[in-house]
Amino acid sequence: EVHLLESGGGLVQPGGSLRLSCAASGFTFSSYAMSWVRQAPGKGPEWVSTVSGSGGTTDYADSVKGRFTISRDNSKNTLYLQMNSLRDEDTAAYYCAKSITLYGYSYGSISYFDYWGQGTLVTVSS
Amino acid sequence: QSALTQPASVSGSPGQSITISCTGTSSDVGGYNYVSWYQQHPGKAPKLMIYEVTNRPSGVSNRFSGSKSGNTASLTISGLQAEDEGDYYCSSYTSTGILGGVFGGGTKVTVL
Repeated sequence: EVHLLESGGGLVQPGGSLRLSCAASGFTFSSYAMSWVRQAPGKGPEWVSTVSGSGGTTDYADSVKGRFTISRDNSKNTLYLQMNSLRDEDTAAYYCAKSITLYGYSYGSISYFDYWGQGTLVTVSS
Repeated sequence: QSALTQPASVSGSPGQSITISCTGTSSDVGGYNYVSWYQQHPGKAPKLMIYEVTNRPSGVSNRFSGSKSGNTASLTISGLQAEDEGDYYCSSYTSTGILGGVFGGGTKVTVL
């Protein structure tokens, strides 16, 4: 059974930093792209970032490019999101999601997210 | 403002069928068969219900079905049950360069 468990969220002041983690189990972690998707209160989800199965290729939404860094440690089956220069508008629940690409490769445009974690809440406020 | 447009709410009585629409453009919904649907209960993680317009993951009830016509995709829930109450989001691949695709703003389904 696939299981994804996020941690690391909390209250942070504007301009501050947080590091989110996502522990994965139940599948061959290194074979799949992994993504972070966030959801602001009362809003629809928003894709944030994706990393390839090997960890060598990444992509980001324009809204976080240059401030957030996605990474993974395949030896620990763990996904990370380093968030710097946080803004009020980054307040959201952050979900890690196992990602299925259009052609089934371990990186590429996402067709759908087949498993999601329960989320970790990030609140940016002074 | 979400890229894909969904009705804010849809309701129905137990046993009835309801349909949720998801309208995009030729750059996303209309141009490709990569529409997915997610169910979310309050405080819970989204759950994949439909992928690639019409496909149901293993374990998802066959009461859920997906379709598409032009720039609008639809999720139909037949034989509505109390456990179907929750929020539903559509998502689509987009040719605009957003790797993770675009989402709708969500539809709250209420079972009367």
